Amino acid sequence: GDSVTQMEGPVTLSEEAFLTINCTYTATGYPSLFWYVQYPGEGLQLLLKATKADDKGSNKGFEATYRKETTSFHLEKGSVQVSDSAVYFCALSRNTPLVFGKGTRLSVIA
Amino acid sequence: DAGITQSPRYKITETGRQVTLMCHQTWSHSYMFWYRQDLGHGLRLIYYSAAADITDKGEVPDGYVVSRSKTENFPLTLESATRSQTSVYFCASNFDRQHGDTQYFGPGTRLTVL
Repeated sequence: GDSVTQMEGPVTLSEEAFLTINCTYTATGYPSLFWYVQYPGEGLQLLLKATKADDKGSNKGFEATYRKETTSFHLEKGSVQVSDSAVYFCALSRNTPLVFGKGTRLSVIA
Repeated sequence: DAGITQSPRYKITETGRQVTLMCHQTWSHSYMFWYRQDLGHGLRLIYYSAAADITDKGEVPDGYVVSRSKTENFPLTLESATRSQTSVYFCASNFDRQHGDTQYFGPGTRLTVL
């Protein structure tokens, strides 16, 4: 079945550091790919998405590119802020309910 | 625009009791979902619904019951709560089955079963 694997956390970075959170997926066909973010005490909210190969999703300085050849959708940000501290979930959809990775907790220290 | 709401936000109950978690959305979204979030497991789908009176099992449905008599409501019932059902429960909805459609999440209900 479909699955998503993302890097284990927690990840701790200093403010203004570069962020990469790796995400790879297994699915037949052409799924849509998502990154969701969960801030402390809140529900998940969409950060960005891409619906076809080579699409780049971007939002709030975060970016991810849909790489069909490597089945990946890695999340990047050039300069993280303390306010980016949260749990990040990679997910896919193929006309079915979302399939989530286990989440990566990011802590950014000043 | 209230969006998607869950109640209660926090609940403590005892083993064997029946508990119902409520979910309400104001967008007339067709699809609604229930997930549980546990450390080390991420989010796991319990049940989902494609429309009123249509429900389907997810990854971890045992011990849970759902109903959907109205499009906007999707209650989740634990018929006889167990300690293993201590978790944070999230309701979500999206408009269409089309892949790429954004799923919107409620704020969650933290349930503790003693």
